[in-house]
Amino acid sequence: QQQVKQSPQSLIVQKGGISIINCAYENTAFDYFPWYQQFPGKGPALLIAIRPDVSEKKEGRFTISFNKSAKQFSLHIMDSQPGDSATYFCAANGQAGTALIFGKGTTLSVSS
Amino acid sequence: EAQVTQNPRYLITVTGKKLTVTCSQNMNHEYMSWYRQDPGLGLRQIYYSMNVEVTDKGDVPEGYKVSRKEKRNFPLILESPSPNQTSLYFCASSFRWRNTEAFFGQGTRLTVV
Repeated sequence: QQQVKQSPQSLIVQKGGISIINCAYENTAFDYFPWYQQFPGKGPALLIAIRPDVSEKKEGRFTISFNKSAKQFSLHIMDSQPGDSATYFCAANGQAGTALIFGKGTTLSVSS
Repeated sequence: EAQVTQNPRYLITVTGKKLTVTCSQNMNHEYMSWYRQDPGLGLRQIYYSMNVEVTDKGDVPEGYKVSRKEKRNFPLILESPSPNQTSLYFCASSFRWRNTEAFFGQGTRLTVV
């Protein structure tokens, strides 16, 4: 019930293509779904987040799509660039003070 | 500059030798936590603190201790490190525990031999 399942584990996309990373959760009490981006040697940093009262949120080339009934959400990176190469983590708000439950991460490589 | 500062960044130690990884935040955040990151396992929470003198176990607390005597500091203590604690550790803080951005430190890469 506390898990967030993320796929794929790794992803290779050509420059200019669309990168799609998917996450699924079980606990219907989750009400905050952020995505974090992590570059090598750095800590994760918030990229974009969504709440379940909306189905989509867009910030520049990054879009979260949220399907409440399916308990799934995804990150779309449009016009992917080599600078987007990083590890991406989806997360969901946990319960009882545990804050964020993270997926296992997706390593994205954008080839030029 | 708003930040979470961890020290040291890299540490190699021997089994059984007590160590402390420090974490400090300058954003007056109430909530702080420690995560470990391992390949294929993502980020797993070790301990968290809702406020000063309030701490609780996360998902993988065995072998770790924490304390929160001041709002800004949240050290992670390994009293008798073992090789299975070799990992990349992150401290994080946020204004409150839910629905807010978590700010992460730069990480501490620990190797226990």
